[in-house]
Amino acid sequence: NAGVMQNPRHLVRRRGQEARLRCSPMKGHSHVYWYRQLPEEGLKFMVYLQKENIIDESGMPKERFSAEFPKEGPSILRIQQVVRGDSAAYFCASSLTLVTGGMNEQFFGPGTRLTVL
Amino acid sequence: AQTVTQSQPEMSVQEAETVTLSCTYDTSENNYYLFWYKQPPSRQMILVIRQEAYKQQNATENRFSVNFQKAAKSFSLKISDSQLGDTAMYFCAFITNTGNQFYFGTGTSLTVIP
Repeated sequence: NAGVMQNPRHLVRRRGQEARLRCSPMKGHSHVYWYRQLPEEGLKFMVYLQKENIIDESGMPKERFSAEFPKEGPSILRIQQVVRGDSAAYFCASSLTLVTGGMNEQFFGPGTRLTVL
Repeated sequence: AQTVTQSQPEMSVQEAETVTLSCTYDTSENNYYLFWYKQPPSRQMILVIRQEAYKQQNATENRFSVNFQKAAKSFSLKISDSQLGDTAMYFCAFITNTGNQFYFGTGTSLTVIP
């Protein structure tokens, strides 16, 4: 059973360009979470999605950032008009069940490292 | 507010020795789960050990064990017989029973010295 997959692993963008980060959850998982790790910091929650629904986007910046998890295909985190401060590692995690809490274990992908020049 | 504090940015230990990484947290919830994750240079997040807050018995996983003090909101990780492969960033984290997101500390960079 393949784990959570993210691509690309590394992404370089110039200021003002768009970045698209993809996450394919583990097989059978219908819940996806995005986290951002700034340099020298821990992971910070951004958004939680189920298929075709955003459940919690309390950690998402209000502008330029959006996320989707369509019925078919991977979840996409989109950053428009990137700035240098967006440079970070972006991690996706997925889980199986609807039950909240730690026993609803989240499995992390390898992350995408975004560098904005 | 939900917070996690790791007060040791860097630590080192001699191979085969024992090291303890500290973590304190704050939450008003009574039911939650605590975790230690390892992040090697590959940046993959690897689950090391987890603890249910309602359990008094400290979790153990081979060379890894925790000292969970609920009243003090402390959750330290002990690594016994340290190995070179243990060199990594270690993150303490928790998730509440009613929440969907993990709260992470800022990490401790552990170096195992041969």
